[in-house]
Amino acid sequence: AQSVTQPDIHITVSEGASLELRCNYSYGATPYLFWYVQSPGQGLQLLLKYFSGDTLVQGIKGFEAEFKRSQSSFNLRKPSVHWSDAAEYFCAVLFFGNEKLTFGTGTRLTIIP
Amino acid sequence: NAGVMQNPRHLVRRRGQEARLRCSPMKGHSHVYWYRQLPEEGLKFMVYLQKENIIDESGMPKERFSAEFPKEGPSILRIQQVVRGDSAAYFCASSPEVGNTEAFFGQGTRLTVV
Repeated sequence: AQSVTQPDIHITVSEGASLELRCNYSYGATPYLFWYVQSPGQGLQLLLKYFSGDTLVQGIKGFEAEFKRSQSSFNLRKPSVHWSDAAEYFCAVLFFGNEKLTFGTGTRLTIIP
Repeated sequence: NAGVMQNPRHLVRRRGQEARLRCSPMKGHSHVYWYRQLPEEGLKFMVYLQKENIIDESGMPKERFSAEFPKEGPSILRIQQVVRGDSAAYFCASSPEVGNTEAFFGQGTRLTVV
């Protein structure tokens, strides 16, 4: 079955430290891959997406993600987090022939001073 | 160019009442998607519509829920006879073309059933 897994429910990082959020998918081919961020009480904002080509994708707010076919992963990274990065992060995939995004359960990011 | 507009932002309904959630897609977008986010969970697909057509409603509960996207006006998600379990955030997304690869989300409607 097609699925998306975000194994970390909650991550706490010190301001200025690096960040990596994990995302794995289960599918027979390479889907389209997305990362969204949701601030409390707000909608979702697209951080970045991968369709094909260069496996390292740059997004907004200093985020990047790397697609690794061998690991079926699309991890999100940021070299130095800011307090304003505290939010919920969702990985999502779009499987071919399907018009609906499938979301992971999200990772809540807390930033400590 | 305004983004995806959802209203109301917050909606409180008593059990048994009807809830109507509205979504105006971005200008030029003809594809609308509804998702539901239950507390502490990710978003779950509900329905995909184009103007005057329901394309995929595989995520819609079989009863009490319906959706439409008329030729004129916003898309409407309607929940009849609401129950406490319907309390959730409902998000609408729109895209300009098939493929949902450029979907933009609204800020959601938070439904509370009391």
